[in-house]
Amino acid sequence: QVQLQESGPGLVKPSETLSLICTVSGGSISSNFWSWFRQPPGKGLEWIGNIYNSGTTNYNPSTKTRVTISMDTSKNQFSLKLSSVTAADTAVYYCAAATNWLAFDYWGQGTLVTVSS
Amino acid sequence: EIVMTQSPATLSVSPGERATLSCRASQSISSNLAWYQQKPGQAPRLLIYAASTRATGNPVRFSGSGSGTEFTLTISSLQSEDLAVYYCQQYSSWPLTFGGGTKVEIK
Repeated sequence: QVQLQESGPGLVKPSETLSLICTVSGGSISSNFWSWFRQPPGKGLEWIGNIYNSGTTNYNPSTKTRVTISMDTSKNQFSLKLSSVTAADTAVYYCAAATNWLAFDYWGQGTLVTVSS
Repeated sequence: EIVMTQSPATLSVSPGERATLSCRASQSISSNLAWYQQKPGQAPRLLIYAASTRATGNPVRFSGSGSGTEFTLTISSLQSEDLAVYYCQQYSSWPLTFGGGTKVEIK
């Protein structure tokens, strides 16, 4: 059973970089698709991007210029960096895994990141 | 970008009754569609993938149908624990996109 856990600061200042790590247990990060999503308070889900094949990435054009997703296979972790954040980036951030093409069957519990000075 | 539109926004159903949720894609996505259930304060849970395949561990009362641009999630006999928001997601092309969700209320 794959389990995912997000970690990182819950508060980030405007214009700074949001950094989150997703630690994976119960499965190897070297296979399947690994993604980041976010959900602003009271709103719907947004896909941010994903990584697979030990390094290939796809990003949502809405945040593509500010996003970097990377993985550390030695630690079985993948990470999200979102630069130049504003209040609009305040959201619950989820990491997730897809073992059925790009339908995501494993999710972390989510972590709330607030952008505020 | 493929736009996913869900209807209705809110659905109120009595326990034991059938609930029918709709999802429409702005262009054909074949059967590359997933349905998720999100209960308050929880992460989304995969219910259906490939438009009609029930994900492991989900009750048989949840079923999906459709292809191309029109899709349906049916809850055959609504239970109180089905109170949630349901999202459809297409994975036919980048970027992956979600519908706005349907909130299912218990009447």
